[in-house]
Amino acid sequence: AQSVSQHNHHVILSEAASLELGCNYSYGGTVNLFWYVQYPGQHLQLLLKYFSGDPLVKGIKGFEAEFIKSKFSFNLRKPSVQWSDTAEYFCAVNSNSGTYKYIFGTGTRLKVLA
Amino acid sequence: ETGVTQTPRHLVMGMTNKKSLKCEQHLGHNAMYWYKQSAKKPLELMFVYNFKEQTENNSVPSRFSPECPNSSHLFLHLHTLQPEDSALYLCASSLTDESPFFGSGTQLSVL
Repeated sequence: AQSVSQHNHHVILSEAASLELGCNYSYGGTVNLFWYVQYPGQHLQLLLKYFSGDPLVKGIKGFEAEFIKSKFSFNLRKPSVQWSDTAEYFCAVNSNSGTYKYIFGTGTRLKVLA
Repeated sequence: ETGVTQTPRHLVMGMTNKKSLKCEQHLGHNAMYWYKQSAKKPLELMFVYNFKEQTENNSVPSRFSPECPNSSHLFLHLHTLQPEDSALYLCASSLTDESPFFGSGTQLSVL
């Protein structure tokens, strides 16, 4: 069965610090990968996605993620965080076979100190 | 507004009550989803419908009963729930091969 692990449950950073959130998935086949963000009091929003091609994916608000197939990883990065990046971040995976089964991780709560 | 509207936003119910959650989207999506979000747990996929047909049922207890009358509306009927069913219930929709677009959720408390 597919699963997603996000090892950092809580992260606290100062503004301008660099961010890397880990995501590892468990699935033997071809996958599509996603990062969602949930700002306080708001709905889950898609941050970026990987379907195929360049393993380095750029999303909104300066976020990027790198798919490393050999490590089953899809880590999220941002060179310099802002206070407004305070949110919960969720990694998700979907098998690349036309299913609607999107599996999510437990989420990482990021707090950015001004 | 997110494009996916869920009502009510908050619901408190007793274990013997029957209630329903409603989800509506007018984004032209064909797939609709129910997820359960509990603290410190992954989002749990409950049900998926594609063009009104159920394609996923993730071993959800029968006290949760979904209904999808058309591609724009999705319901979750609740009866004889347990306190551990208290959670945020999220509805989402998507086109085929596109990632889900989420609503704001219904915060459910079972007393």
